[in-house]
Amino acid sequence: AQSVAQPEDQVNVAEGNPLTVKCTYSVSGNPYLFWYVQYPNRGLQFLLKYITGDNLVKGSYGFEAEFNKSQTSFHLKKPSALVSDSALYFCAVRTLSGSARQLTFGSGTQLTVLP
Amino acid sequence: GAVVSQHPSRVICKSGTSVKIECRSLDFQATTMFWYRQFPKQSLMLMATSNEGSKATYEQGVEKDKFLINHASLTLSTLTVTSAHPEDSSFYICSAFRDGYGEQFFGPGTRLTVL
Repeated sequence: AQSVAQPEDQVNVAEGNPLTVKCTYSVSGNPYLFWYVQYPNRGLQFLLKYITGDNLVKGSYGFEAEFNKSQTSFHLKKPSALVSDSALYFCAVRTLSGSARQLTFGSGTQLTVLP
Repeated sequence: GAVVSQHPSRVICKSGTSVKIECRSLDFQATTMFWYRQFPKQSLMLMATSNEGSKATYEQGVEKDKFLINHASLTLSTLTVTSAHPEDSSFYICSAFRDGYGEQFFGPGTRLTVL
């Protein structure tokens, strides 16, 4: 079975400072890893994904994430946070093995960027 | 490209009535669609996997007679909440798996309120 852990329910950061939202995963095969962002009363918006290749993945709105196989982590980062980045962030995983296509989501991390 | 729509975006109904939510992939074909339920500030819970032309696969604990899913075409899946009760009030999100691309795209969600 695959699982995703987001250890922090809430992350607060000052505008202009770097931000990190943590994610660790557990899968039996090679993982597809995703980050999504959700604004209030809206669906999920895709930020970035890791499938293979370079461990540092760059995505939308200046976000990036680093795949670390030894630590089974896929932390989301941004060098300089904006107030508009305040939202709910979800990490998700899907394995390459088997026929299952569904994503398994983490519990979500509420990011608040303070002006 | 790769847009998923949901209709309606918000619905309020009386207890005991049925509500239908539509999920459409606007510019791609989706053999597989997923229905999720989300409670406030919580993660997405997969309810069922909808496959075009066949019966949906429901997750453990989801009542298939209460949450009827129909996936009659490659671009449309519907979720009908039958005999709705206040505890069914939630945010329902669908997603569509884009055939041949291995990517999943999310709809904007439907806010259901049962009085």
